[in-house]
Parts: sequence; C-alpha cells; structure tokens
Amino acid sequence: KQEVTQIPAALSVPEGENLVLNCSFTDSAIYNLQWFRQDPGKGLTSLLLIQSSQREQTSGRLNASLDKSSGRSTLYIAASQPGDSATYLCAVSRAGNNRKLIWGLGTSLAVNP
Amino acid sequence: NAGVTQTPKFQVLKTGQSMTLQCAQDMNHNSMYWYRQDPGMGLRLIYYSASEGTTDKGEVPNGYNVSRLKKQNFLLGLESAAPSQTSVYFCAIFRDRGIGYTFGSGTRLTVV
Repeated sequence: KQEVTQIPAALSVPEGENLVLNCSFTDSAIYNLQWFRQDPGKGLTSLLLIQSSQREQTSGRLNASLDKSSGRSTLYIAASQPGDSATYLCAVSRAGNNRKLIWGLGTSLAVNP
Repeated sequence: NAGVTQTPKFQVLKTGQSMTLQCAQDMNHNSMYWYRQDPGMGLRLIYYSASEGTTDKGEVPNGYNVSRLKKQNFLLGLESAAPSQTSVYFCAIFRDRGIGYTFGSGTRLTVV
C-alpha cells in the first residue's frame, strides 16, 4: 500500500533563505508526483508535476526533483519570501492508475519578514 | 483555479438533510474527482469519473452518491447528512500531457 510522508510537518524560516521540503513514498511504481500549495481556507494550486520518467521540474524559484529508486522527492524554494507562506502538499499517483492520488499531510511553511 | 467551479462555497446542514455539491469544468476533460479534506487525515478520494456517464468509488464513498450526466458537470450528493461529513470538499480534473490535476476552490460543509 502506497504511503506518502512529508517531513517536517512545519517549518519557520527567515525571509531570503533557500529551503528544501521533503516528500517520501513507499512504492516506487508511480505514474507521476505533483506538488501543490494550499493557502489557509483556500483551494489547492498546482506547482509542479514530475512524470515518472523525469528527474526534475523547475518553475521560477521552485525546483522539484524525483528519485524513484529511493522513494523521494524534494521541493526546493530559492530565496524564500513571506508570500511563500502556505502549506505544501505532495501527491503521487500509481503507475497504470492515474485516477487516484495518494497524499502526504503537508508541510506548513512560514517565512518571516 | 480557473476552469473548475464549485458551488456553493459554504453550506451548513442539519443532520439528516440532503444536498448536492456541484462541480463544473470548462475544459472538456474526461476525468473528474471528488475529494474531502480533513485535519490530520489529508485528502481522500470519495468518487471519480473517468468519462461522461461513468463513475467509480474511491476510498470513502459511504454516505455519498455522484452523477456525471454531462461531461462538464460532476455532482456529489449527500442523501442524509451526518456530522462525520463535516469537511472541505474539493472537485478536481485531470489533464494529461504533463499538466496533472487542477482543483476547484472547495466547498466548506458543516453538518450540525
């Protein structure tokens, strides 16, 4: 059974720091992995999608990597800003069954001015 | 969350009442999903629809029903609401070619 874990559950950093959020999964047979951002009381915004055949994806200050063999993905945020404060969620879908996402519980990030 | 619209945004129900949560997409995609989000439990799949006219159960379907009569709309029904169904409900679509899932802004439901 696929399980997704995100560590740490919460993170507080000063503005300007580069930071890494971690996501681990137990079954390497994934179709893709997607990182989302959720602001309090809001919906989910897709940040990056990594297909199983890819190693990383980049969008602006964000870079996500995928290592299926070790069951890990990292989301790197460069030069963090207070506007980056949110909960970051990762989710994986199984190979051959991209209908179902398995979710981590998220990392709550606070970037302090 | 352009392209996936959920209504209503907020709803309070009394135990035993029924209601329908509505989800509409304007992007003509086949796959649509209903998730619920609860503190400490993450997001869980209630039902999904791979195409117009088809639906399948997810992880937590009990107490819910769904309808996908039109490709653009995916409806989630609660026949007899229970306090355990207090949650935030999200509708999503899946777009292939490296785009992935897009979510609506959610419906916050409270059952008293």
